[in-house]
Order: sequence, then structure tokens, then C-alpha cells
Amino acid sequence: EVQLVQSGAEVKKPGESLKISCKGSGYSFTNNWIAWVRQMPGKGLEWMGIIYPGDSDTRYSPSFQGQVTFSADKSINTAYLQWSGLKASDTAIYFCARRYSSGGSAYFDYWGQGTLVTVSS
Amino acid sequence: EIVLTQSPGTLSLSPGERATLSCRASQSVSSKNIVWYQQKPGQAPRLLIYGASSRATGIPDRFSGSGSGTDFTLTISRLEPEDLAVYYCQQYGTSLTFGGGTKVEIK
Repeated sequence: EVQLVQSGAEVKKPGESLKISCKGSGYSFTNNWIAWVRQMPGKGLEWMGIIYPGDSDTRYSPSFQGQVTFSADKSINTAYLQWSGLKASDTAIYFCARRYSSGGSAYFDYWGQGTLVTVSS
Repeated sequence: EIVLTQSPGTLSLSPGERATLSCRASQSVSSKNIVWYQQKPGQAPRLLIYGASSRATGIPDRFSGSGSGTDFTLTISRLEPEDLAVYYCQQYGTSLTFGGGTKVEIK
């Protein structure tokens, strides 16, 4: 069974750093892109970017370029999203999702449960 | 960047009624690149439709997708109480964007 399990909720202060994780199981983790998606309180979904765990090739949405960093450790089937200096506006739920391609289409077929990040002084 | 505009913002219907959700793109998108997701309250999004019209595994046949060019539609033929959710369209042409979502309420 394919699963993406994310790390637990975090409460941080502005300026602090943070790294959250997304662990995949039940499939070949290195052969599928992993996306990160932000959902601010009461708002819609925003694509942050994508990483290929096999070689850590990374693509960032222009809105998030320079604001966050993606990484992956293929030895433990885990992808990471990190911030070096959090802001209150980073308060949101962050989802990871597996990108799957079939018949010329690509889509996010499995999602993590989400990690709530709260940034408050 | 391709902007996706979903309408209506909220749809309030009774069980058994037909729901029609619209997703309009700011420029033409290949049908292969249109995806729909369902997000129930407090849950992660769930894949419904990919390639504009192909149902994902386990999705009931009351959900269907159609459209081409700039206009795409998600139809729920007979609403069930468990269809209460926000529905998002997504495209991945030159970049990837989500629509703002349509909230489906059950009367």
C-alpha cells in the first residue's frame, strides 16, 4: 500500500528555522517526483514545487523560490521541506504528494496527511 | 502563468441533485493536463479525475469530467451527503496552478 506519512505539527517563533518531513512507503520512492503544497488557514491549495528523490532534481514555483528549500534522503525514503527564517505568514498546512504519470497525464495520486506549521511570537 | 478560475464559489444543493462545477483557464490547456481533486473538511486532497475525464481508482461513476481548450467541467450526477467538500481543478502546462476551489454544500 502506497503511503506518505508526514511529521507532526510544529509551533515556532518568527525567525526560527524548521525542517518537516514526508516519508514514502509501498512504492519505489526514488522513481516518482514528490510535490509540496501549501494551504493557508481557510484558503485554497498552492503548489510550492517538486523534487525528484532519485537525484534531488528540484523545481520551485516562482512564488516560493528562495523562500524554502526542498531536499530528499533516498536511503530512508524521505523528502524534506525547510525554512531558514520563518515568518508569521508561513502559518499553514503543508502537504506532500506523489506525482504519478500515466498515458501522457500526470497527477498527484497519493497525499500525506499534512503538517500544520504555526508561526507566532 | 495560467490562471484557473472556478465557479461558482459555493454550490448548495440537495441530495440526489446534479452538481456542475466550472474551471476556466486563462489560456488554452491540453486536456491531458487537467486534474480535479476533492478535499473534505480536515482531510488531505483526494484525486478524482485526471486527463480531464478519466476517473481515478475507486472514484464512483457519479463523478465525471469533461471539457477542452479553456473550459472544463466536473459533474456530480447525483449528490450524496458525503460529497460535501471543496473541489479544486489543477493544470500543469508550463507551470502548475490550482483553481481557487468550489465548495459544495448539501442542503
